[in-house]
Amino acid sequence: GAVVSQHPSWVICKSGTSVKIECRSLDFQATTMFWYRQFPKQSLMLMATSNEGSKATYEQGVEKDKFLINHASLTLSTLTVTSAHPEDSSFYICSAMDRAAGELFFGEGSRLTVL
Amino acid sequence: AQSVAQPEDQVNVAEGNPLTVKCTYSVSGNPYLFWYVQYPNRGLQFLLKYITGDNLVKGSYGFEAEFNKSQTSFHLKKPSALVSDSALYFCAVRDASDYKLSFGAGTTVTVRA
Repeated sequence: GAVVSQHPSWVICKSGTSVKIECRSLDFQATTMFWYRQFPKQSLMLMATSNEGSKATYEQGVEKDKFLINHASLTLSTLTVTSAHPEDSSFYICSAMDRAAGELFFGEGSRLTVL
Repeated sequence: AQSVAQPEDQVNVAEGNPLTVKCTYSVSGNPYLFWYVQYPNRGLQFLLKYITGDNLVKGSYGFEAEFNKSQTSFHLKKPSALVSDSALYFCAVRDASDYKLSFGAGTTVTVRA
């Protein structure tokens, strides 16, 4: 089946730095990708919808200047957590839509820890 | 608006016993329903989905789910649970016209040997 790759799987950074997380669709083109945030033992909360070649659509309460999303190609979306703080520590998961298959595929997630 | 409710935070069963994880949903249009499983520090693994057709859907690893339109439910079942089924399970729904998924809060399943 289709594969969605996230990188890095784990990242630890100092407070105030920026961290970029990549989400790639490996064997299909994804015009739309979704970014989720998950706190320990909690559900996935949709942060934003990433659209290739256009601005991302953010969910209510998500700071677009804090969580920068770029979807510059049909196989890559990036989430940049700017000026990260400890409260940004979380598990971030992306999903990519394979329109041809009519399916959503999820990445393995990226664990961010801000010290 | 669409939403999912998983009324049980935790389900504990003995290995070999039947496993049921409950899910009810609300969606304005025709529902597309999904079950995913998540192991610690991992992404979501797809188990099964209901789009249309037979109300009983069979999926991966021996799991099945029954779509009940009148009760707006989509409970996940496995006739004989394994210790390796211990994980966090999510029910999700989306409207047929939109790819944006809404997830339930998740149910932690523990299967004891």
